[in-house]
Amino acid sequence: AQTVTQSQPEMSVQEAETVTLSCTYDTSESDYYLFWYKQPPSRQMILVIRQEAYKQQNATENRFSVNFQKAAKSFSLKISDSQLGDAAMYFCAYTNQGGKLIFGQGTELSVKP
Amino acid sequence: SAVISQKPSRDICQRGTSLTIQCQVDSQVTMMFWYRQQPGQSLTLIATANQGSEATYESGFVIDKFPISRPNLTFSTLTVSNMSPEDSSIYLCSVGGTGGNQPQHFGDGTRLSIL
Repeated sequence: AQTVTQSQPEMSVQEAETVTLSCTYDTSESDYYLFWYKQPPSRQMILVIRQEAYKQQNATENRFSVNFQKAAKSFSLKISDSQLGDAAMYFCAYTNQGGKLIFGQGTELSVKP
Repeated sequence: SAVISQKPSRDICQRGTSLTIQCQVDSQVTMMFWYRQQPGQSLTLIATANQGSEATYESGFVIDKFPISRPNLTFSTLTVSNMSPEDSSIYLCSVGGTGGNQPQHFGDGTRLSIL
């Protein structure tokens, strides 16, 4: 069975600095997709970034980028130039072609002004 | 991405009662998903709802407790039956394709508290 692990329950970053959130996963499949979702206190789940396993190039979305290490089954999220609005719970998630999302435990990010 | 409306946004219910949560999408979608997020926890898939067929439930979730309807391609409901305090959670619906190239997008969730 596939699993997703986020080993950092909480992280903190100074405004304008860079922070990296860690995620590891376990799967025996070769075709899958990885995501980072953000959940602010409003509880809405917001898609931050996605990565296709077959792509070697790391995904980038503005200030958000990932470091995808397929052999190590690692999928970390880097947030550059952190802003107060980035404060939220961040979830790493995995899916194969079936559509079911498997989530990690989450990392609560706080941003200090 | 699709606009997903979930109702109610929150509710406080008495134990032993049932509540139906609605999920409306502004476009036709093949698959809809229902997740539960217990306090301080991550999201867990309850079931997948396809139009015209029975919902597919994940291990630990049963139809008698969480009946789901999917009458058309833009709407679904999840009922939480015979509620107990352990059912206090956020319930979220999502829509998306079967592949990761169509990532899932979520409604705003329903915060349910059982007294």
